[in-house]
Amino acid sequence: DGGITQSPKYLFRKEGQNVTLSCEQNLNHDAMYWYRQDPGQGLRLIYYSQIVNDFQKGDIAEGYSVSREKKESFPLTVTSAQKNPTAFYLCASSFGTSGNSYEQYFGPGTRLTVT
Amino acid sequence: LAKTTQPISMDSYEGQEVNITCSHNNIATNDYITWYQQFPSQGPRFIIQGYKTKVTNEVASLFIPADRKSSTLSLPRVSLSDTAVYYCLVGGLVWAGNMLTFGGGTRLMVKP
Repeated sequence: DGGITQSPKYLFRKEGQNVTLSCEQNLNHDAMYWYRQDPGQGLRLIYYSQIVNDFQKGDIAEGYSVSREKKESFPLTVTSAQKNPTAFYLCASSFGTSGNSYEQYFGPGTRLTVT
Repeated sequence: LAKTTQPISMDSYEGQEVNITCSHNNIATNDYITWYQQFPSQGPRFIIQGYKTKVTNEVASLFIPADRKSSTLSLPRVSLSDTAVYYCLVGGLVWAGNMLTFGGGTRLMVKP
């Protein structure tokens, strides 16, 4: 089945540690995105990538880093510089120029807790 | 990006039709209107998308007036499983760098 996978579902880290969240898609989508969601709030865009080896900052990129070495993968690293890293992190993907580009497909999310 | 305004919450009962209206006064000519549904601790799911007039699919209808400054998501005969947050988004082609901005959404509570 095609889709987006994120792992792990729950992640616990100590303050000051970097942590990497995984996002993989087999939908053959060109574009991928990372969002952050805090309790009771909407989604905020962290980073996005429209093509392999290219990515752009979103609205709240400070304290985060990404890479896009493969079309299928877009890992997000939450660094120790991120002041409030505890949140629900969502990865999404969408078609590029070849398909319906208005729809984003979301993964199940990773809930990160930093203490 | 076009800013959207939608009610924070709505209550309904099973079997009723629910209409959620979204205002987007500064929508651009090439912007589409898209609605997503999100259950707790899950990623949002695409519901419907439209540009003008009316769009219908197997789960919802989307009504867009001629001036496109608002849109209404209509959910026919809701059930308890429709309890979720519904997001209205306005934007252009995602691949062209037109990012979709998720606001706070509308929390729909369906009661028995």
